[in-house]
Amino acid sequence: TQLLEQSPQFLSIQEGENLTVYCNSSSVFSSLQWYRQEPGEGPVLLVTVVTGGEVKKLKRLTFQFGDARKDSSLHITAAQPGDTGLYLCAGAMDTGNQFYFGTGTSLTVIP
Amino acid sequence: NAGVTQTPKFQVLKTGQSMTLQCAQDMNHEYMSWYRQDPGMGLRLIHYSVGAGITDQGEVPNGYNVSRSTTEDFPLRLLSAAPSQTSVYFCASSNEETQYFGPGTRLLVL
Repeated sequence: TQLLEQSPQFLSIQEGENLTVYCNSSSVFSSLQWYRQEPGEGPVLLVTVVTGGEVKKLKRLTFQFGDARKDSSLHITAAQPGDTGLYLCAGAMDTGNQFYFGTGTSLTVIP
Repeated sequence: NAGVTQTPKFQVLKTGQSMTLQCAQDMNHEYMSWYRQDPGMGLRLIHYSVGAGITDQGEVPNGYNVSRSTTEDFPLRLLSAAPSQTSVYFCASSNEETQYFGPGTRLLVL
């Protein structure tokens, strides 16, 4: 059983469209991270959120941590082909250094 | 800085063979970890280390051993490979804020 569930699992959209990816859990996390992974490479950290309700922006990407610190969302505005990749969320619990990864969302942006 | 390096990039094993996946980092990070990535399951933690001489189990440790004799190196050993261990393996090292991942080792067990 995955601690963090992501939806949707696959997403294919046209360039210029907006999209939102969700990361949900029944557990509380002390922090939550979002990564992007390109084929044949390791994940690369995009952002870390630590406070319930926190919103962070990275150019066209907006990340939000849920008020109860159980869920998070990633919103991309005006998607570009360069946004194509696998998006992973990962949560850390208060009890240790372990990060639990979500199931991943594979995004394809069609030119 | 090379960051996190992993060798080999690809490996094919027969059931029952043993091998070691190498991981090294040059960022002087205390925390290192090994994950496996399977379709539809994200990354799952195998083992991790909070410093030289200290290791602990993650979510899926069975069939794998690790050691941490130096800060730089964190090898992962498969004692007797099984087809269920076919996967992509990632090593990561981290400071307090960021995990840095290696490029991965693709392992096929026949």
